[in-house]
Amino acid sequence: GQNIDQPTEMTATEGAIVQINCTYQTSGFNGLFWYQQHAGEAPTFLSYNVLDGLEEKGRFSSFLSRSKGYSYLLLKELQMKDSASYLCAVRDEDTNAGKSTFGDGTTLTVKP
Amino acid sequence: EAQVTQNPRYLITVTGKKLTVTCSQNMNHEYMSWYRQDPGLGLRQIYYSMNVEVTDKGDVPEGYKVSRKEKRNFPLILESPSPNQTSLYFCASSLGTGLGDTQYFGPGTRLTVL
Repeated sequence: GQNIDQPTEMTATEGAIVQINCTYQTSGFNGLFWYQQHAGEAPTFLSYNVLDGLEEKGRFSSFLSRSKGYSYLLLKELQMKDSASYLCAVRDEDTNAGKSTFGDGTTLTVKP
Repeated sequence: EAQVTQNPRYLITVTGKKLTVTCSQNMNHEYMSWYRQDPGLGLRQIYYSMNVEVTDKGDVPEGYKVSRKEKRNFPLILESPSPNQTSLYFCASSLGTGLGDTQYFGPGTRLTVL
């Protein structure tokens, strides 16, 4: 099975940088996804990592270390609209690739 | 517009009354999945389908059934709903489960079982 841990809540200031960590223990691994979910809405895709290293997409970056079972999502130049829950999700290995496990989510509050 | 749709969006029902939540996608995706989300918890996978006529259990399948008779539709069936199935349900689809195939989520169905 999979176990994913991420902080429950974080607070940051508009214009700042925030890093949301995610650690996982898995029986299989075939990629790690980050999703953003605003209150009452559906999750939307932010970033994907399957190899070690940093993936950058505009203000958002995600890092993966498979040997450490660790990922982080980096949000730069924070805006008020970035206040949301951020979900870390791991896809299982090829033979079980239909299974996805999500963390409980990190609620980020951006303050003026 | 490429999308995943769910119906109904809101439903209040009583214990034991069978219900179906429909899910449909127009992106010709092979993979579809159902999740439930409860306060303070992340998404928990109920069932998934890799393709037509292929379904498998997720982490919390008890009390639910699914079918995949057509590629675009993946209904979630609660044969005898109970109050512990009160939750927010999301359907999702993706092209497949290959590298980078991200899931697209429907708008959610908020179910209350009294």
